[in-house]
Amino acid sequence: GQQVMQIPQYQHVQEGEDFTTYCNSSTTLSNIQWYKQRPGGHPVFLIQLVKSGEVKKQKRLTFQFGEAKKNSSLHITATQTTDVGTYFCAGTDRSGGSNYKLTFGKGTLLTVNP
Amino acid sequence: DTGVSQDPRHKITKRGQNVTFRCDPISEHNRLYWYRQTLGQGPEFLTYFQNEAQLEKSRLLSDRFSAERPKGSFSTLEIQRTEQGDSAMYLCASSLISYLRLAEKPFFGPGTRLTVL
Repeated sequence: GQQVMQIPQYQHVQEGEDFTTYCNSSTTLSNIQWYKQRPGGHPVFLIQLVKSGEVKKQKRLTFQFGEAKKNSSLHITATQTTDVGTYFCAGTDRSGGSNYKLTFGKGTLLTVNP
Repeated sequence: DTGVSQDPRHKITKRGQNVTFRCDPISEHNRLYWYRQTLGQGPEFLTYFQNEAQLEKSRLLSDRFSAERPKGSFSTLEIQRTEQGDSAMYLCASSLISYLRLAEKPFFGPGTRLTVL
């Protein structure tokens, strides 16, 4: 079945440093979504990427979808303590036919030292 | 609050007991999902509904698990004869899907944390 791998598992940075998490799928994806989960919280939708090579920005966050639609990345510029949490990627494969049955990666836990 | 709500937020039960969780999605949302999340893992898909129809169940879902969405609004997830391995956070999510659009934005509820002793 479809597998989504995410690295690194943990990342600790000093406030102001940049952060990147990478996501790789064993199958070609129809789309990929990114979520943030604060400690003790629930996943919160950040963005969805659909097109090959797509790049989207949300303030300090930059999301990329690979040309082959099998990998993605999230980059945070100049981290702040409010960025602390686990970042998950989640994809649906092309055989799905619609945007359901998300397969989540294990997430990257980001901690920020003030 | 117009978000997804789940009840109860925490449930402690003894092995072998039955438990039922409830999810109230955002009112106009036609899709409802159940996921399970254990510590250090991402959510795992369990099942989903389009309105009142249950369209897919994960192979992870044993016969002890059953979900319903009788009127296409709230949903219940029941676990019979609970086992210690069922201990997890059970997350519900809802979304509005239109056949005119491919994009979908699921909203997750706060989850029900189940502990089986």
